[in-house]
Amino acid sequence: GENVEQHPSTLSVQEGDSAVIKCTYSDSASNYFPWYKQELGKRPQLIIDIRSNVGEKKDQRIAVTLNKTAKHFSLHITETQPEDSAVYFCAASIWNNDMRFGAGTRLTVKP
Amino acid sequence: DGGITQSPKYLFRKEGQNVTLSCEQNLNHDAMYWYRQDPGQGLRLIYYSQIVNDFQKGDIAEGYSVSREKKESFPLTVTSAQKNPTAFYLCASTGTGGSNQPQHFGDGTRLSIL
Repeated sequence: GENVEQHPSTLSVQEGDSAVIKCTYSDSASNYFPWYKQELGKRPQLIIDIRSNVGEKKDQRIAVTLNKTAKHFSLHITETQPEDSAVYFCAASIWNNDMRFGAGTRLTVKP
Repeated sequence: DGGITQSPKYLFRKEGQNVTLSCEQNLNHDAMYWYRQDPGQGLRLIYYSQIVNDFQKGDIAEGYSVSREKKESFPLTVTSAQKNPTAFYLCASTGTGGSNQPQHFGDGTRLSIL
């Protein structure tokens, strides 16, 4: 089955700096890669997703890049704000079948 | 997302007891999923169901059982065979229809051992 690895496990940045979280996946057939943000004790919320026919997608301060050849994808957050502090999860799936999640990255944005 | 309701929010299990976690969705989604989340860790897939009366084991199905008798409902039973059930359990659903769609999550159930 699919295996997703996520790095780093923790990330601390100053407010206004950029944050980058990277994930790798094992199954070359995976074609859907969402990113979720989870605040303490709450449900994960989708923040951005990308499909395998696209190399990059941007939504305001958030962007995701996908390298299918290397089987990795990354989340980029620019101009970070304290409210960006949360745990971020990447995931990968093949047509929504048995989606697999990374272990998560705890992002702390220091004011 | 208000479309997925998990209950109860907190649940306590006694030794040797089976407990059932409820998950209901009104999003008309075909697929439903159960995940387990341990402190500081990611989401691990327990079971998923793509269609009524059918479900598949995920990575950590041992000690758990599910049913999918209705499209809207996907209850998870934590059996006495699950020796370490303390965790945060998340239910999710997604539409199908030939294209990838994001999963929508419920608010979760926190299960503890008495």
